[in-house]
Amino acid sequence: QKEVEQNSGPLSVPEGAIASLNCTYSDRGSQSFFWYRQYSGKSPELIMFIYSNGDKEDGRFTAQLNKASQYVSLLIRDSQPSDSATYLCAVRDNAGNMLTFGGGTRLMVKP
Amino acid sequence: EPEVTQTPSHQVTQMGQEVILRCVPISNHLYFYWYRQILGQKVEFLVSFYNNEISEKSEIFDDQFSVERPDGSNFTLKIRSTKLEDSAMYFCAISRGGAFFGQGTRLTVV
Repeated sequence: QKEVEQNSGPLSVPEGAIASLNCTYSDRGSQSFFWYRQYSGKSPELIMFIYSNGDKEDGRFTAQLNKASQYVSLLIRDSQPSDSATYLCAVRDNAGNMLTFGGGTRLMVKP
Repeated sequence: EPEVTQTPSHQVTQMGQEVILRCVPISNHLYFYWYRQILGQKVEFLVSFYNNEISEKSEIFDDQFSVERPDGSNFTLKIRSTKLEDSAMYFCAISRGGAFFGQGTRLTVV
C-alpha cells in the first residue's frame, strides 16, 4: 500500500513569511513528485513538480526532494493571504501514471 | 482556461440510479484520468484511460463503474447503481507531465 503523509495543519504564517510544507512517502519506487494547491470547493491546481534530488525553484515556490529520506517539501517565500489554501503532495511511480495523494496541509497566511 | 471541462457541475441523484459524468478536453489528449474526493478526504485515483482503453484502475473502480470515450472527444464516467458513499467530487484530468484537473462534478446521492 503506497502512502503519502502530510501534516493536516493548519499551518499559520504571517504575511511575508516563508511557509514550509512537508510530505513523506512510503514507496521507494516513486519517481515523480507533485505539489498541488486546492482552494475550498475547487479542483487541485498543479504548482510544481520535481523528479531529481535537490531543489527546484519557480518564482516564490521551491520544491525540495530527498529520495534517500523519502521526503519532499514545498517552500513558499513572501507568503500572501491569497496563498491560503490546502496544499496537496502527490507521487507517481514508474510503473504507471496514477498519482497517490497525501491528505493535504491547510495553510493560513494572516495579514 | 482549464484543460478539461466537466459537466454537470453538480448532480443530485437517488440511490440506485445511474449517473453519467462528462469530461471534454480543450485539445486532443490520449491520456485521461478520473479521480474522486470525498468531502474532507484525500484525492483518490479511480481509473486511467489511454488510447481508448483502461490502462490502470484502483480497487475503488469496481463493476459499478465504467468509462467510455463515445465520440472521440467526450470522456465519460458512468456509475451504474449509485450508493450513498459515492457522494464525492469527481475530477477528470489529463496528463501533460503532471495531471491537470477539470473543475469537478459534485455528486450527491440521496
